[in-house]
Amino acid sequence: DIVMTQSPDSLAVSLGERATINCKSSQSVLHSSNNKNYLAWYQQQAGQPPKLLIYWASTRESGVPDRFSGSGSGTDFTLTISSLQAEDVAVYYCQQYYSSSYTFGQGTKLEIK
Amino acid sequence: QVQLVQSGAEVKKPGSSVKVSCKASGGTFGTYAISWVRQAPGQGLAWMGGIIPMFGTTHYAQRFQGRVTITTDESKSTAYMELSSLRSDDTAVYYCVRDNSGHALDVWGQGTTVTVSS
Repeated sequence: DIVMTQSPDSLAVSLGERATINCKSSQSVLHSSNNKNYLAWYQQQAGQPPKLLIYWASTRESGVPDRFSGSGSGTDFTLTISSLQAEDVAVYYCQQYYSSSYTFGQGTKLEIK
Repeated sequence: QVQLVQSGAEVKKPGSSVKVSCKASGGTFGTYAISWVRQAPGQGLAWMGGIIPMFGTTHYAQRFQGRVTITTDESKSTAYMELSSLRSDDTAVYYCVRDNSGHALDVWGQGTTVTVSS
């Protein structure tokens, strides 16, 4: 299985500041047939199901605020929240869907400093 | 808009089985895959497996292989996940999710809590 490793495990950022979460895969998730990275980001607020934020590594899901952005390719990816809002407190997960057995990162807990 | 509504919470004895249902509405069931993801208390997300209803094909995560069975009933627009030989560490919230191919896991059910306890 492809192993997904996120860093850091937890993060505290001041309101209005930038938050950055990293995700590394044990092998490339870039598909040569379409040059797309099969990497998604999810947000899970307390007591809620996860919510898709980003797919194809950098495509924002409809309705997701533009302060959320994804970048990276191959094995190294980043989720950036440009200006942290109170409602962004959550656990964030990356996930690869390159292989037929999907795998998630361990999660990054984001809090307000 | 596709919505997924899951069956209610379950309490099971160790060694027994549980079957969780996931009813879809608002779309054309069968034209997209369904995955199941679980989350143990205080833990992360674990993909269990998925099914493509149109073809009836399934794929399971190795760690659940042999214990999990995912099926669908297209006449009811419903997917099912059955987990057998339950252990206490199967206590978790189980989610069904629309697997929208390149669009990743884009619609999530509300989750079903399964508690395994003697």
